[in-house]
Amino acid sequence: DGGITQSPKYLFRKEGQNVTLSCEQNLNHDAMYWYRQDPGQGLRLIYYSQIVNDFQKGDIAEGYSVSREKKESFPLTVTSAQKNPTAFYLCASKVPGREQFFGPGTRLTVL
Amino acid sequence: KQEVTQIPAALSVPEGENLVLNCSFTDSAIYNLQWFRQDPGKGLTSLLLIQSSQREQTSGRLNASLDKSSGRSTLYIAASQPGDSATYLCAVRPRQAGTALIFGKGTTLSVSS
Repeated sequence: DGGITQSPKYLFRKEGQNVTLSCEQNLNHDAMYWYRQDPGQGLRLIYYSQIVNDFQKGDIAEGYSVSREKKESFPLTVTSAQKNPTAFYLCASKVPGREQFFGPGTRLTVL
Repeated sequence: KQEVTQIPAALSVPEGENLVLNCSFTDSAIYNLQWFRQDPGKGLTSLLLIQSSQREQTSGRLNASLDKSSGRSTLYIAASQPGDSATYLCAVRPRQAGTALIFGKGTTLSVSS
C-alpha cells in the first residue's frame, strides 16, 4: 500500500538533546513538508522540499533542520536551539495540482 | 499575509442533523482550498480539494463550496453521524511563496447519538 510513514509515534527529548523525526513516503511524490501543531492551533509550516537536495524554510524554521537526500525521505531534526519543541509533528507530501497527503504524526515531549 | 479563519471553533449537534462549517481567507489569490478531517492524536485525512476555478466538490455526504472573490468556503455535512465527530481543518494554497498550505485552527464537531 502506498502512503506516508512517520516514526516514532512518541518521542521524548531531554533538555539540550537533538532528536530526529523520520518521514518516509512511497507515493513517488516530489514535494514533502513538515508542519508543527500545538493544541487548539492550526498547522504551521517548518520546512518544505520540492525536489531532492533542495529545501526551503517555512514560517517557524528556527531550531529545526532537514535534509532531502532521497526522494522518499525527509527527516526533521529538532535541535537544542528549539526552546519549546513539545508539539505534534506532521509530515506531508504531494504532486503538483493534487491534494496533500499526511502521515500519522509524531508526538514530541520535552522531559 | 494570508490568514484563514474557521467559525465556529466547536459545534455540537444531534445525529441526523445537516450542518455547515465555515472557512474564510483574506487573500483571494489562491491555487486551491482543501478540507481535512483530524481525529484526536492522528494525522490529517484529505476530504475534498477545490481548485480555484471550481465552485464546489462533492464526496458522499460532504459538499464543499468555494467563493474565491468573497474569500469564503463552506463544508456541508448531510445527515450527520456520531462517526463524523472530529476536527475539521480548512487550508488554502496561496499563489505566491511555494506550495505549502496555510491552515485555519479548525472546527471541532461532536455528533451525539
